[in-house]
Amino acid sequence: AQKVTQAQTEISVVEKEDVTLDCVYETRDTTYYLFWYKQPPSGELVFLIRRNSFDEQNEISGRYSWNFQKSTSSFNFTITASQVVDSAVYFCALSEKGTYKYIFGTGTRLKVLA
Amino acid sequence: DVKVTQSSRYLVKRTGEKVFLECVQDMDHENMFWYRQDPGLGLRLIYFSYDVKMKEKGDIPEGYSVSREKKERFSLILESASTNQTSMYLCASSAYTEAFFGQGTRLTVV
Repeated sequence: AQKVTQAQTEISVVEKEDVTLDCVYETRDTTYYLFWYKQPPSGELVFLIRRNSFDEQNEISGRYSWNFQKSTSSFNFTITASQVVDSAVYFCALSEKGTYKYIFGTGTRLKVLA
Repeated sequence: DVKVTQSSRYLVKRTGEKVFLECVQDMDHENMFWYRQDPGLGLRLIYFSYDVKMKEKGDIPEGYSVSREKKERFSLILESASTNQTSMYLCASSAYTEAFFGQGTRLTVV
């Protein structure tokens, strides 16, 4: 069965701290995609990154970085030098190849305090 | 720019009313989805459609139906609204990679 677990319900950090959001997934398929989305207070989910199961390279985009480890079924997201504008709910999601469905975790609310 | 548009940001409806939530995408995507989002439960899939007039039930289809008469439009229908359908509803579309979401409709059933 497919499942995505985001064990951290809410995290609070002070501006400029680094923060890591955890994501653990379960799937029996060998070909799948992993995603991270950001949901700011406005409500719209914003796509951040997609990773396929054959690409375990870590990715860095500005202050954002992602660590994909198949051995531990994890796809963690790190924000370096956090800013107040990073405050949002972040969702991790999984999609298996050949299906049309996206399975979402329950989200992690990040609060960055000035 | 990618665009998924939901017809309303906020709706208040009465118990027993028939409610239509509309979603339009301009990316020519095959797949469209309706999710509901509730605190602590994340996003749960209600229905999805992979082609015009094609639909499949998601994880929580009870009390809902959908319509997809045109590729760009996917409607969610609450046949007889109930208070437990008070929620945030999110529409999305995809072309088999990442999904793109609308701004959400916060529905309150009183």
